Amino acid sequence: EDQVTQSPEALRLQEGESSSLNCSYTVSGLRGLFWYRQDPGKGPEFLFTLYSAGEEKEKERLKATLTKKESFLHITAPKPEDSATYLCAVQAYGAQKLVFGQGTRLTINP
Amino acid sequence: NAGVTQTPKFQVLKTGQSMTLQCAQDMNHEYMSWYRQDPGMGLRLIHYSVGAGITDQGEVPNGYNVSRSTTEDFPLRLLSAAPSQTSVYFCASSLRQGAQPQHFGDGTRLSIL
Repeated sequence: EDQVTQSPEALRLQEGESSSLNCSYTVSGLRGLFWYRQDPGKGPEFLFTLYSAGEEKEKERLKATLTKKESFLHITAPKPEDSATYLCAVQAYGAQKLVFGQGTRLTINP
Repeated sequence: NAGVTQTPKFQVLKTGQSMTLQCAQDMNHEYMSWYRQDPGMGLRLIHYSVGAGITDQGEVPNGYNVSRSTTEDFPLRLLSAAPSQTSVYFCASSLRQGAQPQHFGDGTRLSIL
């Protein structure tokens, strides 16, 4: 069964303090791995898609990387507006659905 | 474009009541889906549709019903609400079957007393 585990559950950083969020996955043939951002009271907002090991994507202070077993979301010099829950999801070949992790709740203190 | 619109935003029901959660998208997307989000758990797929007139079950379909009479609309019906259905419900759409990314609505927060 396809599975996604995110760690840590919650992370509190000071503004400017860089860190990484982890997404470990098991899937029967990875079609894609997706990162979403979710603000309180809102739906998930798409950030990145990664398709194969070694691939990297960047957007502002965020960089997502992918290996055969896990993905990392690196946050460089974060700002308070980066505070949100970050969700990771995988899609297997031939599958309709996304399998989501529980999310990491990130708080950036000014 | 409004994207994916869900109504209502909040709802409180009594056990045994029925109701319909509305979802509409204006992006001409073929694929639409419903998820529920519970604390400590990832989003779980309830039902999905690959086009008008076609629906199928997801991971947690029991107690829910869907139909897709138009491309734009994909309502989710709770037939007889139970406290276990207290959750936040998200509707999502994408261009076609299997396509990513999915675009999510802002959710309906449902409490069953």
